[in-house]
Amino acid sequence: GESVGLHLPTLSVQEGDNSIINCAYSNSASDYFIWYKQESGKGPQFIIDIRSNMDKRQGQRVTVLLNKTVKHLSLQIAATQPGDSAVYFCAETRSNTGKLIFGQGTTLQVKP
Amino acid sequence: NAGVTQTPKFRILKIGQSMTLQCTQDMNHNYMYWYRQDPGMGLKLIYYSVGAGITDKGEVPNGYNVSRSTTEDFPLRLELAAPSQTSVYFCASSPTTGTGFSVEKLFFGSGTQLSVL
Repeated sequence: GESVGLHLPTLSVQEGDNSIINCAYSNSASDYFIWYKQESGKGPQFIIDIRSNMDKRQGQRVTVLLNKTVKHLSLQIAATQPGDSAVYFCAETRSNTGKLIFGQGTTLQVKP
Repeated sequence: NAGVTQTPKFRILKIGQSMTLQCTQDMNHNYMYWYRQDPGMGLKLIYYSVGAGITDKGEVPNGYNVSRSTTEDFPLRLELAAPSQTSVYFCASSPTTGTGFSVEKLFFGSGTQLSVL
């Protein structure tokens, strides 16, 4: 069946360092992946997405890498700030299905 | 635009009671979703809809029902509440481009915290 999972439940980094959050997915038919950020008491917010025809996409301070060979997704946050502290989820879907499945999440803690 | 609006924000139910969680969006999005999030866990898809009149089961549909009579509204019904349904429920919507799943993002509501005692 489908599953999307994360390797590390909690990641603690020093302010200013780079953060890398990992995600494994099992459905090789998935062709669209999204990273979400969820702050305490709020709904998830979109960070960045990537389609399966790409292996890298950059945003502002964030980069998503996709390795379809090993079905692995990562989110890199440059110069991590206290405001980046949150839970980060990856999600996967296959086009034309509308079905979006979330992974378990990684808590990012930024130490001042 | 209000975006995705969920009501109520909090609710306590007794075992066996029923209730409807309301969700409405004013962005004319075709796709709508219901997720539940247990403490310290990820979001599990309950039901989703790709348009008015169409609904599909997600990962954890048992104990829930949905309907989609209009583009704007996607209510979630709990018929016989159980303690296992204690969770935070999120409704979300997404536009579509006509080429499949949108390259846009899901827009989430602020959530409904439900306790079944």
